[in-house]
Amino acid sequence: KAGVTQTPRYLIKTRGQQVTLSCSPISGHRSVSWYQQTPGQGLQFLFEYFSETQRNKGNFPGRFSGRQFSNSRSEMNVSTLELGDSALYLCASSLVGTNAYEQYFGPGTRLTVT
Amino acid sequence: KQEVTQIPAALSVPEGENLVLNCSFTDSAIYNLQWFRQDPGKGLTSLLLIQSSQREQTSGRLNASLDKSSGRSTLYIAASQPGDSATYLCAVPNTGNQFYFGTGTSLTVIP
Repeated sequence: KAGVTQTPRYLIKTRGQQVTLSCSPISGHRSVSWYQQTPGQGLQFLFEYFSETQRNKGNFPGRFSGRQFSNSRSEMNVSTLELGDSALYLCASSLVGTNAYEQYFGPGTRLTVT
Repeated sequence: KQEVTQIPAALSVPEGENLVLNCSFTDSAIYNLQWFRQDPGKGLTSLLLIQSSQREQTSGRLNASLDKSSGRSTLYIAASQPGDSATYLCAVPNTGNQFYFGTGTSLTVIP
């Protein structure tokens, strides 16, 4: 079974631009979560989608948004990029979306904002 | 809000040693606890998932224990190898499947 895939793997953007990241979960997984990882803040939860609905949202500004499609693939969008948005963005999928189930992470997208 | 702490922040051991990594959490009402490994610049690899009803889980040279009442989990690595060098993270979910992560323990196994 293929693992969680994320595209692109690396991105370089300029301040003020916007970016869209993509995540394809493991086949059959309906929950997709997004995390931001930085050296200073560690891993921080962005949001979680289950059956195309955002169920949970972390403490990030409205510039960070996401969506999930009917095939469970998810996209994350960041508008008006700031230098502080440079980070590794990780998505994770789980089988049903309850907290009893194991989360599987993708390799991440490394975003650099200049 | 759940807070997760990992001690030590960094650990360096000679090859072959057994070692213990610690994870503590403030809210003991957890559903499960998951241990991950992260290699530099890479994603997270799931190592072990312990359900709240379990006391421990084993996979190969890894053994994780969970004590909900005291808010603690340990990851025991037996006969460490250089390939075990990585950052180890523990995480606990809230009811909404949001995981709270510790800051990790950076492990270096010296050949």
